[in-house]
Amino acid sequence: GIQVEQSPPDLILQEGANSTLRCNFSDSVNNLQWFHQNPWGQLINLFYIPSGTKQNGRLSATTVATERYSLLYISSSQTTDSGVYFCAVGGSSNDYKLSFGAGTTVTVRA
Amino acid sequence: DSGVTQTPKHLITATGQRVTLRCSPRSGDLSVYWYQQSLDQGLQFLIQYYNGEERAKGNILERFSAQQFPDLHSELNLSSLELGDSALYFCASSVAPGAGTGELFFGEGSRLTVL
Repeated sequence: GIQVEQSPPDLILQEGANSTLRCNFSDSVNNLQWFHQNPWGQLINLFYIPSGTKQNGRLSATTVATERYSLLYISSSQTTDSGVYFCAVGGSSNDYKLSFGAGTTVTVRA
Repeated sequence: DSGVTQTPKHLITATGQRVTLRCSPRSGDLSVYWYQQSLDQGLQFLIQYYNGEERAKGNILERFSAQQFPDLHSELNLSSLELGDSALYFCASSVAPGAGTGELFFGEGSRLTVL
């Protein structure tokens, strides 16, 4: 299956700082999603972004499919941004599952 | 709110017991996926159904089984429970027949503790 690597594994930010999370994947994908798992365990959809760039408030994401990576940008971070950010990919149209990376744990300090 | 409903949210049981986790997909979604998240294994794909039929199997133990009913809700049955089965179990749904062709939405999870 497709291998997904996320970096960095851990990130500590001061409130108001900006950050970039990276997701590398080993093969071409038809689906790439970013999720935020909050401290209560909920998995929140952030972006469905198999290619291109999207923005939602202080968050934005870019996927460069030809180079097999995606970036998640967090600007003006807030304590509520704390949690684990997962990248997950689905390969060809015959691929029935999302394969998850190990996640980046983000801690935003006030 | 993703629109995917999972029950129960929390479950505490003993080793050797059997439990059933339930998932109602988003309205209109035909695919249901089950994932297990444990501390040492991350998010692992268990099984997927599309419109009542099993489509793909992942790392699902023989002690576990699942099905999708005609009304599209799904149940994950876990039997002969062991301490290592303690985990957060997620259900996800999508309108597409597979993750390679559409966005997945996750429920809030069922947290299982086996004592």
